[in-house]
Formats: sequence, C-alpha cells, structure tokens
Amino acid sequence: TQLLEQSPQFLSIQEGENLTVYCNSSSVFSSLQWYRQEPGEGPVLLVTVVTGGEVKKLKRLTFQFGDARKDSSLHITAAQPGDTGLYLCAGGPGSARQLTFGSGTQLTVLP
Amino acid sequence: GAVVSQHPSWVICKSGTSVKIECRSLDFQATTMFWYRQFPKQSLMLMATSNEGSKATYEQGVEKDKFLINHASLTLSTLTVTSAHPEDSSFYICSASGPGPDSYEQYFGPGTRLTVT
Repeated sequence: TQLLEQSPQFLSIQEGENLTVYCNSSSVFSSLQWYRQEPGEGPVLLVTVVTGGEVKKLKRLTFQFGDARKDSSLHITAAQPGDTGLYLCAGGPGSARQLTFGSGTQLTVLP
Repeated sequence: GAVVSQHPSWVICKSGTSVKIECRSLDFQATTMFWYRQFPKQSLMLMATSNEGSKATYEQGVEKDKFLINHASLTLSTLTVTSAHPEDSSFYICSASGPGPDSYEQYFGPGTRLTVT
C-alpha cells in the first residue's frame, strides 16, 4: 500500500512569512499533484510534477519533486490570507488511475 | 477547461430515505470517475472508482449495496446513498480524469454536503 505523509499537519502563520509543506513516501510515484481546498469546496489542482528533480513555480508558490520521485515540497513565499486552505499532495497514478492522497496540511495565514 | 459539476451542493434527508448525487464533466469526456468522502479537516477517502459502462470498483470497507454508483456516460456518474443513516452524513466529492495525455490528473467537483436527520 502506497502512503503519503504530509507535514506539518497544521500550520498557522502571520501574513508575509514563508513556509514549506512536505510530502513524503517510501514509494516511487510517476507523477505528483498538489491541490488546495477551501472549506465547503472541492480540491483545486495547483500543479503536476512528473520528472525527478523538477521545480515548478506558480507566482509565490514553488513546487519541487524529489530526485527519486518519492517526495515533494511546496514552498510559499510571503504568505497571504488568501493562501489559507487545506493543501493536499497526491501521487499516482495507481491501478485504475487512482491517486494516493496525502494526509493534508491545514494552513491558516493570519492578517 | 476540465470543469466538473456536482448536484446538489447540499442536501438534507430523513433517515431511511435514499439520496442521489450527480457528477458531470462539463467540457471533457471522463473515462474514469472517482467518489470520495471527506470528514472535517481531513484528507479525502476514496470510496470507489468507476469507468463508463462498467461496474464500479469499491474500496475495502465501502458497502456497494449502500453506495450505488452508476457511470452511464462519459460525462455523468451518479452516487446513490440508499437507506441513509445519520452516520452517512458527510461531504461527498467526485472527480474525473480524461482519456488524454494528462489522464493521471483528477479534476474535482465542488462537493455535496449530505446531512441525514
């Protein structure tokens, strides 16, 4: 069974601070996605990384896929209250195109 | 592109009744659709995977007779919660993946909040 552990589980920071969320596994994934979910809504895809060592930037968000494709990180620079949400990493695809979801990181950015 | 809708967005039903939730891919053909359940502040729990025209594959511990899934077309999947009980109250989310080169990506609906009284 493939497992994805995210850390930290909860994170509360002040506006303007930087943060990093980690997603780790003992399994190799062919791709890894990061999603953000706001209360009462479905997750929204932020990025997909497929190549070991790949780095992608989305405005103030930087995503990195580990060289061995077993881990990933999400770094947010100068966090804003609008970044508040549940961040989920997901690795896959498994059989039948299933994704393995991480345990989630609940981020709160205080104004 | 890659928009998925769900209906209804929220529903309240009495214990013992059945509720149907629809999931539609609006601008692409979804080869595979997934149904998840989510509890507050927790990650997604996969309930079942369905492919158009075939029976759904349920995860261990999910009662197939209670959670009926129908994937009748490449744009529509439905989840019916039969004989609902208060413990079935939850946030249900569907997702869809297409047949294209990015088919490993899943696009999520906005979710349905089910409350069973």
